[in-house]
Amino acid sequence: ETGVTQTPRHLVMGMTNKKSLKCEQHLGHNAMYWYKQSAKKPLELMFVYSLEERVENNSVPSRFSPECPNSSHLFLHLHTLQPEDSALYLCASSPRGEADTQYFGPGTRLTVL
Amino acid sequence: EDQVTQSPEALRLQEGESSSLNCSYTVSGLRGLFWYRQDPGKGPEFLFTLYSAGEEKEKERLKATLTKKESFLHITAPKPEDSATYLCAVHTGGGNKLTFGTGTQLKVEL
Repeated sequence: ETGVTQTPRHLVMGMTNKKSLKCEQHLGHNAMYWYKQSAKKPLELMFVYSLEERVENNSVPSRFSPECPNSSHLFLHLHTLQPEDSALYLCASSPRGEADTQYFGPGTRLTVL
Repeated sequence: EDQVTQSPEALRLQEGESSSLNCSYTVSGLRGLFWYRQDPGKGPEFLFTLYSAGEEKEKERLKATLTKKESFLHITAPKPEDSATYLCAVHTGGGNKLTFGTGTQLKVEL
């Protein structure tokens, strides 16, 4: 595997379910990100981890819970989601942060019923 | 508050018809401007990073330029495979945050 991978690629869940999104980067980077992309809206930064420490939480509802066990893996735990949370969730990584270029994974298309 | 505006929202070109996409920004202290290409249902693919006014970068049929207020992505003799949404983002201040525009959806027809 190369670059940034995300699983699953597609996820359909009910409002009462609990699920997790997984991201893995094979680039040796130290910073990882979660973004939300909704139709006709700019990418919204959700969380930033640098050296496994959360450095930004962009006013995201608590029903989204990130986890970064090491610099190569990032998870987004989902529970009690709303239909408006349906979107493409993108993971990215960068070498250090601080104006580094961010490299994106293919995304997880989430549908909340 | 940092703002990034991309225009046009959508652009339809004939194959070989050159054009430019615009990214204008209002930020306090630009530290980098990024161009990405995004195909439907996929993640953004990195194209260019520009750091200072006057800087230019090229890749195949694409050329990115930067001034103090805007950036242009010039597409020379485009082909249908250049059809995608092109995203612009800026990095300002400290930290890791990129502010994205809403993108320009480009369609190149035969």
